[in-house]
Amino acid sequence: GENVEQHPSTLSVQEGDSAVIKCTYSDSASNYFPWYKQELGKGPQLIIDIRSNVGEKKDQRIAVTLNKTAKHFSLHITETQPEDSAVYFCAAFGFYSSASKIIFGSGTRLSIRP
Amino acid sequence: DAGVIQSPRHEVTEMGQEVTLRCKPISGHDYLFWYRQTMMRGLELLIYFNNNVPIDDSGMPEDRFSAKMPNASFSTLKIQPSEPRDSAVYFCASRTGTGYTEAFFGQGTRLTVV
Repeated sequence: GENVEQHPSTLSVQEGDSAVIKCTYSDSASNYFPWYKQELGKGPQLIIDIRSNVGEKKDQRIAVTLNKTAKHFSLHITETQPEDSAVYFCAAFGFYSSASKIIFGSGTRLSIRP
Repeated sequence: DAGVIQSPRHEVTEMGQEVTLRCKPISGHDYLFWYRQTMMRGLELLIYFNNNVPIDDSGMPEDRFSAKMPNASFSTLKIQPSEPRDSAVYFCASRTGTGYTEAFFGQGTRLTVV
């Protein structure tokens, strides 16, 4: 089955700097890679996603890159702000595979220092 | 739509008691997922349903855990008997089966077994 590894587990950056979170996956059949943000006391919420036929996607200060050959994908947050402090999860999903389950990475706790 | 609704938000129970967690998915969603979140294991997929049918329960930790989905608008996760190591936040999520669509999470149920 799919296995998703995420690094780092914790990340602290100065406000205004960039943050990068990296993930690797094992199942070559995975073709959809969402990123979720979880704030304290809430459920995870989708912030950006990328499909396997795209190498990069950007939405304002957030961007995601995908390298299918190497089976890794990354989340980039630029010009970080205090409200970016949260736990971030990457995930992998094989839309056309026989098992439609979403497997999550272990999470990254991002702290933005003022 | 009000989103995925879980109840209760918090549950404190004594070891050995039966616990039932409830979930109402978003109307029209074909898939329903139950996840467990702990510091040690992150977000673990316990079981998921497609059109009310359990598809993969390989993540259910042991026979003490059971899940049902009697209709498209309701699912339960039951633990009997409960143990202290079951203490965690349990999330329910749902998504449609059409296209690359995100999974929407509920607010979670924080379970404490004493």
